[in-house]
Amino acid sequence: DAGVIQSPRHEVTEMGQEVTLRCKPISGHDYLFWYRQTMMRGLELLIYFNNNVPIDDSGMPEDRFSAKMPNASFSTLKIQPSEPRDSAVYFCASRPGPDRYYGYTFGSGTRLTVV
Amino acid sequence: AQSVTQLDSQVPVFEEAPVELRCNYSSSVSVYLFWYVQYPNQGLQLLLKYLSGSTLVESINGFEAEFNKSQTSFHLRKPSVHISDTAEYFCAVSSNRDDKIIFGKGTRLHILP
Repeated sequence: DAGVIQSPRHEVTEMGQEVTLRCKPISGHDYLFWYRQTMMRGLELLIYFNNNVPIDDSGMPEDRFSAKMPNASFSTLKIQPSEPRDSAVYFCASRPGPDRYYGYTFGSGTRLTVV
Repeated sequence: AQSVTQLDSQVPVFEEAPVELRCNYSSSVSVYLFWYVQYPNQGLQLLLKYLSGSTLVESINGFEAEFNKSQTSFHLRKPSVHISDTAEYFCAVSSNRDDKIIFGKGTRLHILP
């Protein structure tokens, strides 16, 4: 298995532009999580899906952020318009089922820089 | 609500010396506890986990952690560190009542030559 795949690995964009981050979870994993990592705030859970349905989006910072999971093998996190304070590493993670003790498998992350 | 506190943001230690990374948690229900490791420019990897049973859990690369319910702690230890252990270590907590895993802010382990 190739693991959780995120693209792009690095993204540099100008303030005001739209940014789309992509994630392919491990096949068969029913749960998908989006995290943001910054020095100041550590790892923050943004949103998670179960069977492609958003379950909890209370961590999404504001309306500029949106996430979708159109099918079991693909999810996107979109920021429109982007701002410099959105600069962070964004991680996607997946888990095989409802049993919380499985832990997550993380992707390698997307490092976003908004200038 | 659950929470995790990692008491040290950075820990410097000499190569081949022992190390302990501290983690305390808060939860009103039974918990599952995890340690994740993040090597530079990589995602997080599961290092070890406590689910139930023996309070001492081990990883394949020599780390171990002990669940202490009375002290609500899950400290990570290694008797002899190597330069390859340089990474950031995250303690995390979950429970059977919540889909989410809550992460601590991480402890950066610096191995000194």
